[in-house]
Amino acid sequence: SQQGEEDPQALSIQEGENATMNCSYKTSINNLQWYRQNSGRGLVHLILIRSNEREKHSGRLRVTLDTSKKSSSLLITASRAADTASYFCATDGLGANSKLTFGKGITLSVRP
Amino acid sequence: DADVTQTPRNRITKTGKRIMLECSQTKGHDRMYWYRQDPGLGLQLIYYSFDVKDINKGEISDGYSVSRQAQAKFSLSLESAIPNQTALYFCATSRSGSQPQHFGDGTRLSIL
Repeated sequence: SQQGEEDPQALSIQEGENATMNCSYKTSINNLQWYRQNSGRGLVHLILIRSNEREKHSGRLRVTLDTSKKSSSLLITASRAADTASYFCATDGLGANSKLTFGKGITLSVRP
Repeated sequence: DADVTQTPRNRITKTGKRIMLECSQTKGHDRMYWYRQDPGLGLQLIYYSFDVKDINKGEISDGYSVSRQAQAKFSLSLESAIPNQTALYFCATSRSGSQPQHFGDGTRLSIL
């Protein structure tokens, strides 16, 4: 079963606009990670936010985490056509032998 | 050179055939994973290995087997392939369970 569920399933925006993607999960986590997948390629790690962090930035990416609501959001500012990809959230459960559990992904299309 | 290399990149084969997918890494990570990706279903964990002597089943291990030949090599076998194993297969590595995973570019497998 998959822990993270992303919302929306698909998003289409104009270049220059901001893109906001959401992820909800069910059980307590150690951290939450966001990944990008370009068509036909492997997933690439974008950003990791720990359970004791509320917000994190990396370039044009901003991630928030609300553990009380068991949700996270990924904001991409000033989007570019090259941001077109699928985005996945992954949750790392508690415990020494925890594994990442991936959501089904969000397809982002950025129109030039 | 890629840090995580999967071979072959594409494979078409027939029902009942034995198939091996190979993964090698130069990152020096102890942990390696095999995932399957189907459209709309995200990533499902098949097998994972914490080190050469520690191999564990994931969510969907039936019909699959693995071998960890060395720290750098982790192969996935389909003993008798069936059409519903047609999917995109990814290998990934990580330093620990909580750390980001690094993915290969996948093997697209079609079983006729």
